[in-house]
Amino acid sequence: GESVGLHLPTLSVQEGDNSIINCAYSNSASDYFIWYKQESGKGPQFIIDIRSNMDKRQGQRVTVLLNKTVKHLSLQIAATQPGDSAVYFCAETQETSGSRLTFGEGTQLTVNP
Amino acid sequence: NAGVMQNPRHLVRRRGQEARLRCSPMKGHSHVYWYRQLPEEGLKFMVYLQKENIIDESGMPKERFSAEFPKEGPSILRIQQVVRGDSAAYFCASSPRPEQLHEQYFGPGTRLTVT
Repeated sequence: GESVGLHLPTLSVQEGDNSIINCAYSNSASDYFIWYKQESGKGPQFIIDIRSNMDKRQGQRVTVLLNKTVKHLSLQIAATQPGDSAVYFCAETQETSGSRLTFGEGTQLTVNP
Repeated sequence: NAGVMQNPRHLVRRRGQEARLRCSPMKGHSHVYWYRQLPEEGLKFMVYLQKENIIDESGMPKERFSAEFPKEGPSILRIQQVVRGDSAAYFCASSPRPEQLHEQYFGPGTRLTVT
């Protein structure tokens, strides 16, 4: 079936560096792609989303890039801080499916001081 | 504006008992989703509800699991005759309007442990 998955399970960066978290997806019919951050013991926190007809969207310190040709999504975090340490999930959804989210497995980001 | 609230945060049940999980969506949100997360895994969709209606339950196990979102009060996910494999974190999320269903805001989750 359709799936959303991540290339790397863990990523370790130095404080102040930029982080790039990648995601591959297989459902070409997806309407939205969303990034969530999940800290230990908490629920996922919405970070940023991008509609399928866009290729880039920027937020505060974060940028999401969408490459539909190779079905690839990435989250860039600028000037990574210790508070950014968490598991990051990409998710996709289709409006015709009632927008239920299909999540990838997650990438553990660790920021070293 | 309070976020999505879930209770209890932790629930321990013996095999065969019933588990009842509650979710109060954000104020003004009438769309509720339930997801299950097994250890070291991503979240898996279970059910999508609007007030008094189940819209999509394609992710719900066929037996023992049920969900409701009554006109008044929280959404309830009920698991009857729990088994060890039901141990997981259960999250609900809410969304404001049909055109923004992809914007889902999650609660802190209920961690169910079946002994």
